Amino acid sequence: DSGVTQTPKHLITATGQRVTLRCSPRSGDLSVYWYQQSLDQGLQFLIQYYNGEERAKGNILERFSAQQFPDLHSELNLSSLELGDSALYFCASSGWTAPPYEQYFGPGTRLTVT
Amino acid sequence: ILNVEQSPQSLHVQEGDSTNFTCSFPSSNFYALHWYRWETAKSPEALFVMTLNGDEKKKGRISATLNTKEGYSYLYIKGSQPEDSATYLCAPYNNAGNMLTFGGGTRLMVKP
Repeated sequence: DSGVTQTPKHLITATGQRVTLRCSPRSGDLSVYWYQQSLDQGLQFLIQYYNGEERAKGNILERFSAQQFPDLHSELNLSSLELGDSALYFCASSGWTAPPYEQYFGPGTRLTVT
Repeated sequence: ILNVEQSPQSLHVQEGDSTNFTCSFPSSNFYALHWYRWETAKSPEALFVMTLNGDEKKKGRISATLNTKEGYSYLYIKGSQPEDSATYLCAPYNNAGNMLTFGGGTRLMVKP
């Protein structure tokens, strides 16, 4: 158990809908990262927050947004969902924003868009 | 986005065999290299974070080396066990992108 929690575990929704994925980092970790893992692709970095502020952005679609709240939990909002958004979404956390620090991954949320 | 290549894509070995895989990445703006172990139906788990050229890290039967000048890292597993079966991911971090870029992974299957 990494100490990172993600809810829900599974989510099935229809095209065009909007969903929110939630992540609670390990106690004391200030950085939260979001990753997407699709069937035909490896882990793709989406976005990072550090202590409430956006720190780095990867290939995150404009339909997707995220935020980190004062209690450090983070939410990833996915809107106007398409079939291709079906994927496993991981949240990870680390103590600092500096790269030498390993990231601790949550169990993931499996999103299925029908 | 960095071009990160891992080889081989998959590997089948017998219990007791030693094995190694490669991670290649651009050497420019290098800052750190992460190795993760990802078992089926679980989430990735950090193995090593390496930053210095020539660095060598070890955890039990697993070790890794790093060459930042030529842009590669090797992961070695000595005396593979069935519980080593997993996908091993490498992810370099460079100063230009400020993010980890994961390779496609090497899927290791150890037969008892």
